[in-house]
Amino acid sequence: GNSVTQMEGPVTLSEEAFLTINCTYTATGYPSLFWYVQYPGEGLQLLLKATKADDKGSNKGFEATYRKETTSFHLEKGSVQVSDSAVYFCALSEKRGGSNYKLTFGKGTLLTVNP
Amino acid sequence: EAEVAQSPRYKITEKSQAVAFWCDPISGHATLYWYRQILGQGPELLVQFQDESVVDDSQLPKDRFSAERLKGVDSTLKIQPAELGDSAMYLCASSLGRAGGPLTDTQYFGPGTRLTVL
Repeated sequence: GNSVTQMEGPVTLSEEAFLTINCTYTATGYPSLFWYVQYPGEGLQLLLKATKADDKGSNKGFEATYRKETTSFHLEKGSVQVSDSAVYFCALSEKRGGSNYKLTFGKGTLLTVNP
Repeated sequence: EAEVAQSPRYKITEKSQAVAFWCDPISGHATLYWYRQILGQGPELLVQFQDESVVDDSQLPKDRFSAERLKGVDSTLKIQPAELGDSAMYLCASSLGRAGGPLTDTQYFGPGTRLTVL
């Protein structure tokens, strides 16, 4: 079956540091790939998405490129802020027929940014 | 911006009691999902609706959990009786769920209901 593997956290960085959170996937077919962010006590918010190979999703300074050859979708940000402290989830969307899709999540990576 | 609404945000109950959670998806979204998220883990799908029909409830513990979406809009998830191991965040999400277009499969999540079973 499909699966998503994220780098284990926690990740602790100083403000303005460069961020990379690794994500690799296993899937049949051509899934869409997502990054979601979860702030403490809240639900998940869509951060960015890519739907096909070589697509780059970007939002709020975060970027991720859909790499089919390495089955990866690593999240990057050039300069993190304290407000980026949260749990980040990589996910893939599997089509199961018609308009029926299922999201498979990684286990999440906790990011803490210190001032 | 349209959002998925959930209530209550927090629920504390004693084991063996019944609890219910409510979700109102983004208007026009045909697909609705209920997830359970245990602390420190990713969400796990409990049940998925397409309009009023269940399309996946393979991970729903049907001896105690039930879900309905009678008119294909809002939905209720019930647990009866609650057990200590049910303590978790319960998340609702919705997606457009209509064929075609890049937004068909993008899921938008509500704020969740934090359940504590004592």
